[in-house]
Amino acid sequence: QSALTQPASVSGSPGQSITISCTGTSSDLGAYNSVSWYQQHPGTAPKLVIFDVSNRPSGVPDRFSGSKSGNTASLTISGLQAEDGADYYCSSYTTVTTVLFGGGTKLTVL
Amino acid sequence: DVQLVESGGGLVQPGGSLRLSCVGSGFFFSNYWMDWVRQVPGKGLVWVSHINSDGTNTDYADSVKGRFTISRDNAKNTLYLQMDSLRAEDTAVYYCARRGSFVRRVHWFDPWGQGTLVTVSS
Repeated sequence: QSALTQPASVSGSPGQSITISCTGTSSDLGAYNSVSWYQQHPGTAPKLVIFDVSNRPSGVPDRFSGSKSGNTASLTISGLQAEDGADYYCSSYTTVTTVLFGGGTKLTVL
Repeated sequence: DVQLVESGGGLVQPGGSLRLSCVGSGFFFSNYWMDWVRQVPGKGLVWVSHINSDGTNTDYADSVKGRFTISRDNAKNTLYLQMDSLRAEDTAVYYCARRGSFVRRVHWFDPWGQGTLVTVSS
């Protein structure tokens, strides 16, 4: 099963908002409200920032928000800060492989 | 603090074996499903395997099925991944990760361990 589709890179200036898309199919992302997002800085482990489409774990700033429409999920970061620069991965439940990740998006804060 | 610490990575020849360990602390380890996820350096995340809370149910990615075995020892708060018949394409950082809730079945991971690097090369 192919990975979920994410843009390779996005960029934004401090204070701006950016959105990262994650596209799957009606068999995975479109079929379940089990989309999560992870932030990964270089050389570190992934960190959960959004679970079940739009829920934020405690400690994650409310600048991070998630949504889903059809087969596409989105992560929006508003009021960009320098420390938001990282790789972001989406994931979804799927009956085929249990959990399917996206290819990752590199966020550059200009 | 909830913490996961992996160990056991290293350099192994093709066809060889390695066992990874992951020790959990700061939470009731025996309550949670656990997973292994790997990442080729510079590439994306790939789910490898999961095990339910009492170790009676497991699942594997097709790429490792029949070669890798996940297990756990709840008395030792430890998760394992036995990797046999290793191939060059198994080279990656291996992360253990806890499912985010034990109250209901979820498919997100929080937290993750720091990862351990497995290199398969002659």
